[in-house]
Amino acid sequence: QAQLVESGGGVVQPGRSLRLSCAASGFTFRNYGIHWVRQAPGKGLEWVAVIWYDGSDKYYADSVKGRFTLSRDNSQNTVYLQMNSLRAEDTAVYYCARDVQKAFDLWGQGTMVTVSS
Amino acid sequence: SYELTQPPSVSVSPGQTARITCSGDALPKQSAYWYQQKSGQAPVLVIFEDSKRPSGIPERFSGSSSGTMATLTISGAQVEDEADYYCFLTDSSDNHSGVFGTGTKVTVL
Repeated sequence: QAQLVESGGGVVQPGRSLRLSCAASGFTFRNYGIHWVRQAPGKGLEWVAVIWYDGSDKYYADSVKGRFTLSRDNSQNTVYLQMNSLRAEDTAVYYCARDVQKAFDLWGQGTMVTVSS
Repeated sequence: SYELTQPPSVSVSPGQTARITCSGDALPKQSAYWYQQKSGQAPVLVIFEDSKRPSGIPERFSGSSSGTMATLTISGAQVEDEADYYCFLTDSSDNHSGVFGTGTKVTVL
């Protein structure tokens, strides 16, 4: 069945970098945009970024613009979120989600990122 | 960007109707989407384009939107509907970025 699996989370010091991956299976990955949504501990959902089905367009939340970069490899059915200059406030569970006409109809289980010295 | 405001909590007895509101100036221009998130789980889409229900979502979930307010209604709430609920809107300036509402904790007891 259709599935998204995030990986790459962990503990990182402030100012350092981390790359998250979102691997897809069970559907035609190259046909779908992919969003990232994060959730800080005990807090609500925050939309982070989206990459177009073919990688031609990307949009970012103001809170991560200039620090986070999306890319995708449709031959590997994977989207990558490169996170640079990490801050304590980036600590969160990061989810990737499939876009179907603006609805996020399929989500991964999330990967935890902790930014701490 | 803009804000979407939801009540922090809603309580309802089993079998009663729960209504969760989402208010924001952008609502007249964009459709609302609603997500359910149970404790420790990823969110699940329960309503899209204001009032449409994905396959597999029980009929007791419905949505509506008027002016600057969207509403998610759970008619005959069940214990298993206890969760956090979030509205979401796409930013009309680029039609691709978006904002989640502040979230509502629904308690069924």
